[in-house]
Amino acid sequence: EDKVVQSPLSLVVHEGDTVTLNCSYEVTNFRSLLWYKQEKKAPTFLFMLTSSGIEKKSGRLSSILDKKELFSILNITATQTGDSAIYLCAVGNNAGNMLTFGGGTRLMVKP
Amino acid sequence: EPEVTQTPSHQVTQMGQEVILRCVPISNHLYFYWYRQILGQKVEFLVSFYNNEISEKSEIFDDQFSVERPDGSNFTLKIRSTKLEDSAMYFCASSEISKGNEKLFFGSGTQLSVL
Repeated sequence: EDKVVQSPLSLVVHEGDTVTLNCSYEVTNFRSLLWYKQEKKAPTFLFMLTSSGIEKKSGRLSSILDKKELFSILNITATQTGDSAIYLCAVGNNAGNMLTFGGGTRLMVKP
Repeated sequence: EPEVTQTPSHQVTQMGQEVILRCVPISNHLYFYWYRQILGQKVEFLVSFYNNEISEKSEIFDDQFSVERPDGSNFTLKIRSTKLEDSAMYFCASSEISKGNEKLFFGSGTQLSVL
């Protein structure tokens, strides 16, 4: 059974801080790892990673995958209050269509 | 940006009743999914659907659940006889290409409360 563990469970920072969110996984026949941001309801897509060592960037957010050590990190620099959300990590395998989600990291950014 | 739409946003039902949750996936997407999230728990996969048939389902998706694409735009999840433990946020999602672990677009969800 595929497994995804995220840490920390929750995080409180002040605006301007940099945060690193962690995602470790165990998956048979790994295909991809995805990061989503969940504010009120719908998870919104951030990144999809399939190869080790290649950083993906979008503004102040970046993410990288380590397929040898089976983890990924999501970095947010110069955090803003609008970054407050639950960040979800999910993995997919080549055997089927489903994504397996981690429990999420709840980030709160204080002004 | 195109989006997945779900209705209703909230549904309250009595235990044992049937409910139908509705979704309109993004128009050029071919793969459709239902996930659910029980309060305080992880997002869980229920079922994927392609070419008018189920392509994969989880253990949660038992005989009480069914999916249908009744026309060219809607995608529905039916729960025949709801149980208390079916209370959750149900998310519909769609993707353009195969292997649902590519970029999924999620709807805003239907909060189902079974009393």
